Amino acid sequence: DSGVTQTPKHLITATGQRVTLRCSPRSGDLSVYWYQQSLDQGLQFLIQYYNGEERAKGNILERFSAQQFPDLHSELNLSSLELGDSALYFCASSVGLFANTGELFFGEGSRLTVL
Amino acid sequence: DQQVKQNSPSLSVQEGRISILNCDYTNSMFDYFLWYKKYPAEGPTFLISISSIKDKNEDGRFTVFLNKSAKHLSLHIVPSQPGDSAVYFCAASDDDFGNEKLTFGTGTRLTIIP
Repeated sequence: DSGVTQTPKHLITATGQRVTLRCSPRSGDLSVYWYQQSLDQGLQFLIQYYNGEERAKGNILERFSAQQFPDLHSELNLSSLELGDSALYFCASSVGLFANTGELFFGEGSRLTVL
Repeated sequence: DQQVKQNSPSLSVQEGRISILNCDYTNSMFDYFLWYKKYPAEGPTFLISISSIKDKNEDGRFTVFLNKSAKHLSLHIVPSQPGDSAVYFCAASDDDFGNEKLTFGTGTRLTIIP
């Protein structure tokens, strides 16, 4: 158990809909990262928040947005969903700013299926 | 543009033998490399890392080798155990100060045969 909690674990929805994925980081971790893993793809970095502020952006579509709340939990909002958005979405957390120390703790992921 | 490549989607190794997982990268600015391990229905967990100033880092049964001139790294597991069966992701970060993200490969599924 990494201490990172993601909900829901599974979600099935239709094209054009909007969903929200939720992440609670490990206690004490200030950074939250969102990654997307599509079929046969590596983990694609989407966005990072640190202590409530957006810190870094990756290949995140304009239809996607995220935020980190004062209690440090984060939500990833996906709108106008397309079939290609079907993927496993991982949240990870770390104490500090930087991902390259290796101290990234991942949740179990939220599997989104768009029909 | 896949900057971190794991060209072998799967690998099967006999228990007790050496497992060698390979990773190639294209971005010469990458200066820190990591391996993550992922079991089904779980998130990836950090396994081992190496800085570009080194060519080898060892942690128990796991050793990572870095060949900067070839832009290649490998993970050796000796001896392989059934519990090592998992998907292994190679990841890299670049030279930016305060690098906030990792670039991951597509993963290699390792199966240890008892």
